[in-house]
Amino acid sequence: EIVLTQSPATLSLSPGERGTLSCRASQSVSSYLAWYQQKPGQAPRLLIYDASNRATGIPARFSGSGSGTDFTLTISSLEPEDFAVYYCQQCNNWPLTFGGGTKVEIK
Amino acid sequence: QVQLVESGGGVVQPGRSLRLSCAASGFTFSGYGMHWVRQAPGKGLEWVAVIWYDGSKKYYADSVKGRFTISRDDSRNTLYLQMNSLRAEDTAMYYCARNMATTYYSDYWGQGTLVTVSS
Repeated sequence: EIVLTQSPATLSLSPGERGTLSCRASQSVSSYLAWYQQKPGQAPRLLIYDASNRATGIPARFSGSGSGTDFTLTISSLEPEDFAVYYCQQCNNWPLTFGGGTKVEIK
Repeated sequence: QVQLVESGGGVVQPGRSLRLSCAASGFTFSGYGMHWVRQAPGKGLEWVAVIWYDGSKKYYADSVKGRFTISRDDSRNTLYLQMNSLRAEDTAMYYCARNMATTYYSDYWGQGTLVTVSS
Protein backbone atom coordinates (compact mmCIF):
# COMPACT_ATOMS: atom_id res chain seq x y z
CA GLU A 1 0.00 0.00 0.00
CA ILE A 2 1.07 3.57 -0.66
CA VAL A 3 2.19 5.45 2.43
CA LEU A 4 1.62 9.20 2.57
CA THR A 5 3.82 11.22 4.91
CA GLN A 6 2.65 14.69 5.85
CA SER A 7 4.87 17.39 7.26
CA PRO A 8 5.07 19.17 9.50
CA ALA A 9 2.85 17.44 12.04
CA THR A 10 1.93 20.84 13.50
CA LEU A 11 2.20 24.27 11.91
CA SER A 12 1.91 27.30 14.19
CA LEU A 13 0.95 30.44 12.29
CA SER A 14 -0.84 33.74 12.81
CA PRO A 15 -3.90 34.90 10.87
CA GLY A 16 -2.82 36.53 7.62
CA GLU A 17 0.30 34.40 7.29
CA ARG A 18 0.98 31.95 4.48
CA GLY A 19 0.76 28.25 5.26
CA THR A 20 2.60 25.56 3.31
CA LEU A 21 1.78 21.90 3.97
CA SER A 22 3.61 18.95 2.44
CA CYS A 23 2.53 15.43 1.50
CA ARG A 24 5.02 12.87 0.22
CA ALA A 25 4.03 9.50 -1.27
CA SER A 26 6.07 6.30 -0.98
CA GLN A 27 5.61 5.78 -4.73
CA SER A 28 4.15 7.79 -7.56
CA VAL A 29 0.44 8.57 -7.39
CA SER A 30 0.51 10.63 -10.59
CA SER A 31 -1.84 13.56 -9.88
CA TYR A 32 -4.45 11.51 -8.04
CA LEU A 33 -4.16 13.30 -4.76
CA ALA A 34 -6.71 15.18 -2.67
CA TRP A 35 -6.59 17.46 0.35
CA TYR A 36 -9.26 17.52 3.07
CA GLN A 37 -9.85 19.89 5.96
CA GLN A 38 -11.27 18.69 9.26
CA LYS A 39 -12.36 20.85 12.18
CA PRO A 40 -13.00 19.43 15.68
CA GLY A 41 -16.25 17.50 15.90
CA GLN A 42 -16.89 17.79 12.17
CA ALA A 43 -16.59 15.53 9.16
CA PRO A 44 -13.77 16.14 6.69
CA ARG A 45 -14.35 18.53 3.79
CA LEU A 46 -12.85 18.10 0.33
CA LEU A 47 -10.65 21.08 -0.58
CA ILE A 48 -8.49 20.02 -3.52
CA TYR A 49 -8.66 17.08 -5.92
CA ASP A 50 -6.39 15.87 -8.71
CA ALA A 51 -3.57 17.69 -6.89
CA SER A 52 -4.54 21.20 -7.97
CA ASN A 53 -8.29 21.53 -8.59
CA ARG A 54 -10.36 23.33 -5.99
CA ALA A 55 -13.58 21.60 -5.00
CA THR A 56 -16.90 23.40 -5.27
CA GLY A 57 -17.14 26.41 -2.98
CA ILE A 58 -13.53 26.37 -1.81
CA PRO A 59 -11.95 29.85 -1.54
CA ALA A 60 -9.15 30.82 -3.89
CA ARG A 61 -6.70 31.21 -0.99
CA PHE A 62 -6.39 27.40 -1.02
CA SER A 63 -4.17 26.01 -3.77
CA GLY A 64 -2.54 22.68 -4.45
CA SER A 65 0.45 21.68 -6.50
CA GLY A 66 2.68 18.72 -7.25
CA SER A 67 2.69 15.39 -9.03
CA GLY A 68 4.34 12.02 -8.69
CA THR A 69 5.46 11.78 -5.07
CA ASP A 70 5.62 15.36 -3.77
CA PHE A 71 2.61 17.57 -3.17
CA THR A 72 1.92 20.89 -1.48
CA LEU A 73 -1.17 22.59 -0.10
CA THR A 74 -0.78 26.34 0.22
CA ILE A 75 -3.07 28.67 2.15
CA SER A 76 -2.11 32.12 0.90
CA SER A 77 -3.39 34.14 3.86
CA LEU A 78 -4.80 32.29 6.85
CA GLU A 79 -8.29 33.21 7.97
CA PRO A 80 -9.47 32.36 11.51
CA GLU A 81 -11.67 29.56 10.15
CA ASP A 82 -8.68 27.86 8.47
CA PHE A 83 -7.16 26.61 11.71
CA ALA A 84 -7.88 22.90 11.48
CA VAL A 85 -6.30 19.55 10.58
CA TYR A 86 -5.48 18.86 6.94
CA TYR A 87 -5.18 15.40 5.38
CA CYS A 88 -3.93 14.29 1.99
CA GLN A 89 -5.36 11.19 0.28
CA GLN A 90 -4.11 9.25 -2.72
CA CYS A 91 -6.58 7.72 -5.16
CA ASN A 92 -4.15 6.15 -7.61
CA ASN A 93 -3.96 2.68 -6.06
CA TRP A 94 -6.10 0.40 -3.95
CA PRO A 95 -6.36 0.55 -1.04
CA LEU A 96 -6.89 4.29 -0.90
CA THR A 97 -4.75 5.82 1.83
CA PHE A 98 -4.60 9.02 3.87
CA GLY A 99 -1.65 10.85 5.31
CA GLY A 100 -1.33 11.27 9.05
CA GLY A 101 -2.46 14.89 8.98
CA THR A 102 -1.04 18.36 9.64
CA LYS A 103 -2.58 20.47 12.37
CA VAL A 104 -2.57 24.18 11.61
CA GLU A 105 -2.80 26.00 14.92
CA ILE A 106 -2.92 29.62 15.97
CA LYS A 107 0.47 30.94 17.02
CA GLN B 1 -28.87 19.41 -0.96
CA VAL B 2 -26.78 16.28 -0.50
CA GLN B 3 -27.35 14.63 2.88
CA LEU B 4 -25.77 11.52 4.33
CA VAL B 5 -26.92 10.29 7.72
CA GLU B 6 -25.19 7.37 9.41
CA SER B 7 -26.74 5.20 12.09
CA GLY B 8 -26.23 1.88 13.82
CA GLY B 9 -23.20 2.65 15.96
CA GLY B 10 -22.94 1.74 19.62
CA VAL B 11 -21.03 -0.31 22.15
CA VAL B 12 -20.37 -3.93 21.18
CA GLN B 13 -18.27 -6.70 22.68
CA PRO B 14 -15.18 -8.03 20.90
CA GLY B 15 -16.02 -10.80 18.44
CA ARG B 16 -19.59 -9.61 17.95
CA SER B 17 -21.21 -8.03 14.88
CA LEU B 18 -22.75 -4.69 14.02
CA ARG B 19 -24.35 -3.24 10.91
CA LEU B 20 -24.03 0.42 10.05
CA SER B 21 -26.41 2.26 7.73
CA CYS B 22 -26.07 5.47 5.76
CA ALA B 23 -29.25 7.10 4.47
CA ALA B 24 -28.67 9.27 1.41
CA SER B 25 -30.80 12.07 0.02
CA GLY B 26 -30.53 15.08 -2.27
CA PHE B 27 -28.90 13.23 -5.17
CA THR B 28 -29.44 10.19 -7.39
CA PHE B 29 -27.98 7.57 -5.06
CA SER B 30 -27.90 4.83 -7.70
CA GLY B 31 -25.56 6.92 -9.83
CA TYR B 32 -22.70 7.18 -7.32
CA GLY B 33 -20.15 4.98 -5.71
CA MET B 34 -19.94 5.21 -1.94
CA HIS B 35 -17.20 4.92 0.67
CA TRP B 36 -16.83 4.15 4.35
CA VAL B 37 -14.00 5.95 6.16
CA ARG B 38 -13.23 5.66 9.86
CA GLN B 39 -11.35 7.65 12.47
CA ALA B 40 -10.19 6.22 15.79
CA PRO B 41 -10.49 8.62 18.74
CA GLY B 42 -7.80 11.31 18.46
CA LYS B 43 -6.30 9.71 15.35
CA GLY B 44 -6.25 10.27 11.61
CA LEU B 45 -8.53 9.11 8.83
CA GLU B 46 -8.51 5.52 7.57
CA TRP B 47 -10.28 4.52 4.37
CA VAL B 48 -12.33 1.33 4.92
CA ALA B 49 -14.24 0.32 1.81
CA VAL B 50 -15.84 1.42 -1.45
CA ILE B 51 -18.70 0.09 -3.54
CA TRP B 52 -19.25 0.94 -7.17
CA TYR B 53 -22.42 2.81 -8.20
CA ASP B 54 -23.91 -0.42 -9.54
CA GLY B 55 -22.51 -2.67 -6.83
CA SER B 56 -20.31 -4.47 -9.35
CA LYS B 57 -17.03 -3.83 -7.55
CA LYS B 58 -16.02 -3.56 -3.93
CA TYR B 59 -12.62 -2.85 -2.41
CA TYR B 60 -11.55 -3.04 1.22
CA ALA B 61 -8.68 -1.95 3.43
CA ASP B 62 -6.48 -4.87 4.45
CA SER B 63 -7.35 -4.25 8.09
CA VAL B 64 -11.02 -5.16 7.51
CA LYS B 65 -10.86 -7.55 4.57
CA GLY B 66 -12.74 -10.76 5.29
CA ARG B 67 -14.53 -9.25 8.30
CA PHE B 68 -16.44 -6.27 6.89
CA THR B 69 -18.86 -6.21 3.94
CA ILE B 70 -20.06 -3.11 2.14
CA SER B 71 -23.41 -3.22 0.35
CA ARG B 72 -26.16 -0.95 -0.91
CA ASP B 73 -29.91 -0.93 -1.41
CA ASP B 74 -30.76 1.59 -4.11
CA SER B 75 -34.49 1.15 -3.51
CA ARG B 76 -33.94 2.52 -0.01
CA ASN B 77 -31.13 4.97 -0.94
CA THR B 78 -29.08 3.33 1.77
CA LEU B 79 -25.48 2.19 2.13
CA TYR B 80 -24.50 -0.50 4.64
CA LEU B 81 -21.40 -1.76 6.38
CA GLN B 82 -21.69 -5.20 7.96
CA MET B 83 -18.95 -5.57 10.55
CA ASN B 84 -18.20 -9.04 11.91
CA SER B 85 -15.57 -10.34 14.35
CA LEU B 86 -15.12 -6.88 15.78
CA ARG B 87 -11.90 -6.00 17.56
CA ALA B 88 -10.92 -3.24 19.97
CA GLU B 89 -8.95 -1.58 17.17
CA ASP B 90 -12.18 -1.16 15.17
CA THR B 91 -13.31 1.44 17.72
CA ALA B 92 -13.82 4.61 15.68
CA MET B 93 -16.17 7.15 14.23
CA TYR B 94 -17.44 5.70 10.95
CA TYR B 95 -18.25 8.11 8.13
CA CYS B 96 -19.99 7.37 4.87
CA ALA B 97 -18.99 9.52 1.93
CA ARG B 98 -20.10 9.95 -1.64
CA ASN B 99 -17.64 9.08 -4.38
CA MET B 100 -16.99 12.09 -6.59
CA ALA B 101 -18.12 11.32 -10.13
CA THR B 102 -15.40 9.83 -12.42
CA THR B 103 -12.87 9.85 -9.58
CA TYR B 104 -12.38 8.08 -6.25
CA TYR B 105 -12.38 11.14 -4.04
CA SER B 106 -15.07 11.75 -1.39
CA ASP B 107 -16.96 14.97 -2.06
CA TYR B 108 -19.75 14.76 0.55
CA TRP B 109 -19.54 13.23 4.01
CA GLY B 110 -21.99 12.32 6.73
CA GLN B 111 -21.48 13.34 10.36
CA GLY B 112 -20.50 9.84 11.40
CA THR B 113 -21.63 7.15 13.82
CA LEU B 114 -19.45 6.01 16.72
CA VAL B 115 -18.59 2.35 17.18
CA THR B 116 -16.98 1.27 20.45
CA VAL B 117 -15.70 -2.28 20.78
CA SER B 118 -15.23 -3.10 24.43
CA SER B 119 -15.98 -5.85 26.90
